[in-house]
Amino acid sequence: DAKTTQPPSMDCAEGRAANLPCNHSTISGNEYVYWYRQIHSQGPQYIIHGLKNNETNEMASLIITEDRKSSTLILPHATLRDTAVYYCIVRVEYMASGTYKYIFGTGTRLKVLA
Amino acid sequence: EPEVTQTPSHQVTQMGQEVILRCVPISNHLYFYWYRQILGQKVEFLVSFYNNEISEKSEIFDDQFSVERPDGSNFTLKIRSTKLEDSAMYFCASSRTSGLYSSYEQYFGPGTRLTVT
Repeated sequence: DAKTTQPPSMDCAEGRAANLPCNHSTISGNEYVYWYRQIHSQGPQYIIHGLKNNETNEMASLIITEDRKSSTLILPHATLRDTAVYYCIVRVEYMASGTYKYIFGTGTRLKVLA
Repeated sequence: EPEVTQTPSHQVTQMGQEVILRCVPISNHLYFYWYRQILGQKVEFLVSFYNNEISEKSEIFDDQFSVERPDGSNFTLKIRSTKLEDSAMYFCASSRTSGLYSSYEQYFGPGTRLTVT
């Protein structure tokens, strides 16, 4: 069921860009990539998602390679409050029921250093 | 901003007892989900629910588990006879649509930590 691979941990200096990579080499054509983060043991918080094109919102940017086998989440100016576990997720759809589920990876523990 | 709420935040129960975990999804959402996260492990899908019935469930969601929407606001997960290995954080989530041909995200609640002794 494993769909994504992420480095277990990363450090980033405060104010610098944090680039979090994710491999999803077995992703199917209609499966979206989502990124969530989890601070301590709180509920996962949505960050951004994409299918083929690069995406940007007020929190982050998502760069997806042309072959869709990997992506990078970019936090442009990391702050101490961005310290969290970041999950790269593949959204798997069930056509018969019209629903979907998230397949979480093991996540990257990002530590932003002062 | 609307949010998913869950009660209780922490539940301690003895092995073999029944527990009910409660969730109030976002009011205009139609699709509901339960996930669990065993300590130190990744978040795992349990079940999705729409139109008062289960849409999909994982192999984890066996006969000991059931879900219900008893009224217009609550969504519950029941574990009939808890086992030690059911100890985990349980997250409820909701989404506005199914996601097919759209990309609405799921909103997660803060979780209920279930400890089975």
